[in-house]
Amino acid sequence: GQQLNQSPQSMFIQEGEDVSMNCTSSSIFNTWLWYKQDPGEGPVLLIALYKAGELTSNGRLTAQFGITRKDSFLNISASIPSDVGIYFCAGRSGAQKLVFGQGTRLTINP
Amino acid sequence: AAGVIQSPRHLIKEKRETATLKCYPIPRHDTVYWYQQGPGQDPQFLISFYEKMQSDKGSIPDRFSAQQFSDYHSELNMSSLELGDSALYFCASSQRGRYEQYFGPGTRLTVT
Repeated sequence: GQQLNQSPQSMFIQEGEDVSMNCTSSSIFNTWLWYKQDPGEGPVLLIALYKAGELTSNGRLTAQFGITRKDSFLNISASIPSDVGIYFCAGRSGAQKLVFGQGTRLTINP
Repeated sequence: AAGVIQSPRHLIKEKRETATLKCYPIPRHDTVYWYQQGPGQDPQFLISFYEKMQSDKGSIPDRFSAQQFSDYHSELNMSSLELGDSALYFCASSQRGRYEQYFGPGTRLTVT
């Protein structure tokens, strides 16, 4: 089945640093979604991307839909303590279901 | 803004028992999705419904069934529970023609 490779698996950064993570796939997707999940809570939608090359921002977050349609990137600028959590990419290709990446666990040292 | 509502939030069952999880989508959302998330895992798609009809099926065990009702709420029925069914179960909803899925807070199922 379709698989998404998300990297890095974990990040340990200092408050104020910028963060970058990405997802790649061998399959083409027509929608990319980025979610943040806190422990024991449901994933919260951060950004949705629909077109190849699309670059979308949500506050300090910026995500891009790769030109090949097989990858997507999420950047967080000037990280703050509340950015801690697990970030998931999710892709959709035709069918309704989402395929999730394995997640990136972000830890911020104050 | 209204969010997806799931109940119960926590559920403890014994092996071989049954469980029913409920999901109330965001108002005017007509599509419901169910996901299972094990510890340290990403959410795995189980099943989805659009306008009360099953629209897609993932890795849902035969012991599980689900349906969507006329008011668009959905129920996931789980029978012959096994220890391995212990997980977080999420419901998500979306609006017709939109691909963003909004997740509920989840139901934590523990099977002992």
